Amino acid sequence: SAVISQKPSRDICQRGTSLTIQCQVDSQVTMMFWYRQQPGQSLTLIATANQGSEATYESGFVIDKFPISRPNLTFSTLTVSNMSPEDSSIYLCSVVEVDLGEQFFGPGTRLTVL
Amino acid sequence: GQSLEQPSEVTAVEGAIVQINCTYQTSGFYGLSWYQQHDGGAPTFLSYNALDGLEETGRFSSFLSRSDSYGYLLLQELQMKDSASYFCAVRSGGGKLIFGQGTELSVKP
Repeated sequence: SAVISQKPSRDICQRGTSLTIQCQVDSQVTMMFWYRQQPGQSLTLIATANQGSEATYESGFVIDKFPISRPNLTFSTLTVSNMSPEDSSIYLCSVVEVDLGEQFFGPGTRLTVL
Repeated sequence: GQSLEQPSEVTAVEGAIVQINCTYQTSGFYGLSWYQQHDGGAPTFLSYNALDGLEETGRFSSFLSRSDSYGYLLLQELQMKDSASYFCAVRSGGGKLIFGQGTELSVKP
């Protein structure tokens, strides 16, 4: 199965600033996603990171707030812009192994905004 | 709209069997997945059902009935380490997962 790493693992940020989260996969994957998990809540899909083109955002999420890059098939970044305390969450990168019918998650980035 | 319903919490004792049900209503459906998440950890894949029936993997089994929009996760021979949150998730178009709210399982000695 794919091995996924994320940086940073956690951060504490001031409101109004931005944080970029990196996701690295040890093999080429077609589908890569970004999810958010607010404290005590379930996972919500933010967007699908498309290689070489603009990400596809879910309802309630916009590119200006959560710009995403995916320059190749093994790497993606998610930026949380102009942060507020409501952005305090765990942000998770996820990839699909189509042959196995499985979707794997990275370890997550725990973000606290003060 | 899209919704998944699962119990918010379940309590059982070590060695017992527990079943976590999930009903769903989604606009696209390719299969039902189950994930386990311990406090502070990432979700871990448990099972995926694309077709009706029962899938067994060790102590865990998962069932799907597409006609009833229903599935369940069965955990046998419960161990203390099974205490965690369990999420059902529908795989919709484009590989996306839509998650239920999660079931917190507490295993007591």
